[in-house]
Amino acid sequence: GENVEQHPSTLSVQEGDSAVIKCTYSDSASNYFPWYKQELGKRPQLIIDIRSNVGEKKDQRIAVTLNKTAKHFSLHITETQPEDSAVYFCAAGLRDYKLSFGAGTTVTVRA
Amino acid sequence: NAGVTQTPKFQVLKTGQSMTLQCAQDMNHEYMSWYRQDPGMGLRLIHYSVGAGITDQGEVPNGYNVSRSTTEDFPLRLLSAAPSQTSVYFCASSYSSGARGTGELFFGEGSRLTVL
Repeated sequence: GENVEQHPSTLSVQEGDSAVIKCTYSDSASNYFPWYKQELGKRPQLIIDIRSNVGEKKDQRIAVTLNKTAKHFSLHITETQPEDSAVYFCAAGLRDYKLSFGAGTTVTVRA
Repeated sequence: NAGVTQTPKFQVLKTGQSMTLQCAQDMNHEYMSWYRQDPGMGLRLIHYSVGAGITDQGEVPNGYNVSRSTTEDFPLRLLSAAPSQTSVYFCASSYSSGARGTGELFFGEGSRLTVL
């Protein structure tokens, strides 16, 4: 099955700086790569996703890049704000209902 | 729309007891799935369903049963609870991805289960 590794496990950034989270996956057949954000005590929520026919996707301060050859994808958050503090999960799979998730990255934005 | 509703939110069980976590969605989503979340391990897929009457195993299915008799409901049954099943459980639903949408998973609020 699919195996997703996510780094780093924790990330502390100064407000206004950028944050980058990296994930690698093992199954070259995977073609759907979403990112979920989970605030403390809340449910995970989709923040951005990318499919294998696209190399990069951007939504305001959030961007995701995908390198299918190297089997890795990354989340970039620019101009970080306190409300960006949360746990972020990457995931990979063939279909949205059968995803393999990374272990998560706890992001702390320092004021 | 209530979205995805899970009950109970909290439950304490003794080893060997059985119980059912309920999950219901009112968005007419075809796909439903159950995940467990453990510290440092992310979300792991237990079972999933692509429609009423159709279920399949995920990554960590042992000790759990599911059924999907209606589009709306997808209960998760613990047959004989073990301390290793102490976790937070999330139910999720999604509609068909591709032409009809992004394939976003909509999660319930989670059920925290402790097995003593």
